[in-house]
Amino acid sequence: EAGVVQSPRYKIIEKKQPVAFWCNPISGHNTLYWYRQNLGQGPELLIRYENEEAVDDSQLPKDRFSAERLKGVDSTLKIQPAELGDSAVYLCASSFAGRGGVNTEAFFGQGTRLTVV
Amino acid sequence: LAKTTQPISMDSYEGQEVNITCSHNNIATNDYITWYQQFPSQGPRFIIQGYKTKVTNEVASLFIPADRKSSTLSLPRVSLSDTAVYYCLVGVPGGYNKLIFGAGTRLAVHP
Repeated sequence: EAGVVQSPRYKIIEKKQPVAFWCNPISGHNTLYWYRQNLGQGPELLIRYENEEAVDDSQLPKDRFSAERLKGVDSTLKIQPAELGDSAVYLCASSFAGRGGVNTEAFFGQGTRLTVV
Repeated sequence: LAKTTQPISMDSYEGQEVNITCSHNNIATNDYITWYQQFPSQGPRFIIQGYKTKVTNEVASLFIPADRKSSTLSLPRVSLSDTAVYYCLVGVPGGYNKLIFGAGTRLAVHP
């Protein structure tokens, strides 16, 4: 079975341009995460979905970042307009959380490396 | 969420056992301890998870003392391919897990 699939793998854009990242989680996983990882640092959680509901978006810069998860499956993260400081790797992860049960491990995609010039 | 503290970096040689300790003094009763591994240009990968005492799988062992204020990830006989960043996470895995990462420990394995 395919793991978490992200696209594109790399993206270079000029500042002030929009950009979008796409994530296809593992089939059946109801929890989806978007992270941003700067060079030499750990992943920083941007938003977490339970099915189609964003349950934690406190770290998402809402003035320029938006995300959606239609039908509780695929997800898109958008930045508009992009700034130089947005250059980073954007990671998507998914897991399955059963009601009252122990959450399974999270599986990560390879990420999208964004360079804003 | 419980904050974790790990060494920034460690060095080892092939064939040695590596122990990475994580401090989590404010761990809550329902929190589990989870370790992830990340290679360059890849997303993190789950290694092991535990609640207390010792957990072992085909990759590593996790030792958790009775007070649960720290934990130790043990990698037996490391190889060059174990060079990676290792993250210790603490949180409630039941229901919906927040998965908060710290800076991690950069392990360099030398020939």
